[in-house]
Amino acid sequence: EVQLVQSGAEVKQPGESLKISCQGSGYSFSHYWIAWVRQMPGKGLEWMGTIYPRDSDTRHSPSFQGQVTISVDKSINTAYLQWNSLQASDSALYFCARQENPLFRFDLWGQGTLVTVSS
Amino acid sequence: DIQMTQSPSSLSASAGDRVSITCRASQNIGTYLNWYQQKPGEAPKVLIYASSNLQSGVPSRFSGSGSGTDFTLTINSLQPEDFATYFCQQSDRTPLTFGGGTKVEIK
Repeated sequence: EVQLVQSGAEVKQPGESLKISCQGSGYSFSHYWIAWVRQMPGKGLEWMGTIYPRDSDTRHSPSFQGQVTISVDKSINTAYLQWNSLQASDSALYFCARQENPLFRFDLWGQGTLVTVSS
Repeated sequence: DIQMTQSPSSLSASAGDRVSITCRASQNIGTYLNWYQQKPGEAPKVLIYASSNLQSGVPSRFSGSGSGTDFTLTINSLQPEDFATYFCQQSDRTPLTFGGGTKVEIK
C-alpha cells in the first residue's frame, strides 16, 4: 500500500526540542518530494517547506525558514520536521505530503501529527 | 506571496444540489490551481489539479475550471459524503499558498 505514516502526537513544554517523522512506503521514496504543511486549530493550511530525498534539496517558506529544520534519511524512507525551541504558537497539526515536483499537487498525505506545546 | 481568497467561507446545501466554490488569486497563476477536500479528523485529499484535471479515483461529479486569477470548483449532485471543507492551493510559485477554506454543511 502506498502511504505516508507519521509519528504520534506529542506534548511538550515551551523551550523543548522536538523532531517528528514521516515514513513513506509502497513507492520509490527517493523520487518524490516530501512537504510539511501546518494546520493550526480550526484554521487553514500553510506550506512550510519541501525536501527531495534523493539529494536533500530543500525549499523553504520564508514564514518558517529559521524556525524549523526539514531533513530526510533516505536509507529508511523517512522525512523529519524539527524544532530546537518550541513555543506555544507551534501547537498545531502537522501533515507531511508527497509531491512529484515542488510545484505539483500534494497527491498523498500522512495522517498528521498533533503537537501541543504547553507549560 | 500569492494570496488565495475563497468564497464563500461556508455554505449550506442539500443532498442533490449543485454547489460552486470560487477561488481568486492575487496574481496570474495560469492554471496552476489545485483543489482539496478535508473531512474532520482527516488529512486533505486532492480532488482537482491544474485547474480542471480530475485526480484518479475522484468521482466525476467534481469538476474544476478557470485560469489566470479566477477559479471554480463545482460539485454536481452533492452526496452525503461531500459535506466537508474545501481548499484551493496555488502551485505556480513558492511559497505555495492555500485559500482559507469553504465549509460545505448540510442544510
